[in-house]
Amino acid sequence: NAGVTQTPKFQVLKTGQSMTLQCAQDMNHEYMSWYRQDPGMGLRLIHYSVGAGITDQGEVPNGYNVSRSTTEDFPLRLLSAAPSQTSVYFCASSYSRTYNEQFFGPGTRLTVL
Amino acid sequence: AQSVTQPDIHITVSEGASLELRCNYSYGATPYLFWYVQSPGQGLQLLLKYFSGDTLVQGIKGFEAEFKRSQSSFNLRKPSVHWSDAAEYFCAVGGTSYGKLTFGQGTILTVHP
Repeated sequence: NAGVTQTPKFQVLKTGQSMTLQCAQDMNHEYMSWYRQDPGMGLRLIHYSVGAGITDQGEVPNGYNVSRSTTEDFPLRLLSAAPSQTSVYFCASSYSRTYNEQFFGPGTRLTVL
Repeated sequence: AQSVTQPDIHITVSEGASLELRCNYSYGATPYLFWYVQSPGQGLQLLLKYFSGDTLVQGIKGFEAEFKRSQSSFNLRKPSVHWSDAAEYFCAVGGTSYGKLTFGQGTILTVHP
């Protein structure tokens, strides 16, 4: 199993550009999440999904969209990138509602100029 | 609202010395508590978790943590640190609803030979 994969690993955008961060898991997990990691702030939840077709907002959802058309994929879209969205983004998945274990991807480092 | 505080941003220990990383949480009900480790450029890996029962939990890589409800703490310990333990450590708290996991700010561990 590849686990949780994320692409790209690095990305540089200009302010106002849009892009999609890809996340896929091959463990048949129902639950998937997107976090952003900023220095001194730990990880903050952006959006999450409890199954195909079901998504909800986390702590910092503004400026991001998600959809979940399949169990395997959970892309994160930046509609109009801003410098405040410069961060490291992690996707995670879990087979349980109660976090028996969240499996994290390797992350995408995004810089917005 | 739930929250997690890791009072120590950076800790330095000598190889072979004992280690304790502090974590204090705020949560309105019985919490689910986690410790994750992140090596440079990597995603997060679960070290251990507490859901209920024995308040001393054992994890991978020789780590353990003790849940103390009266002190709202979940400190991580290791009796003898190895150079490979150098990483950033995150404490997290959650409940029964997926999407409500809150991370602390992280503690960077440096190990001197």
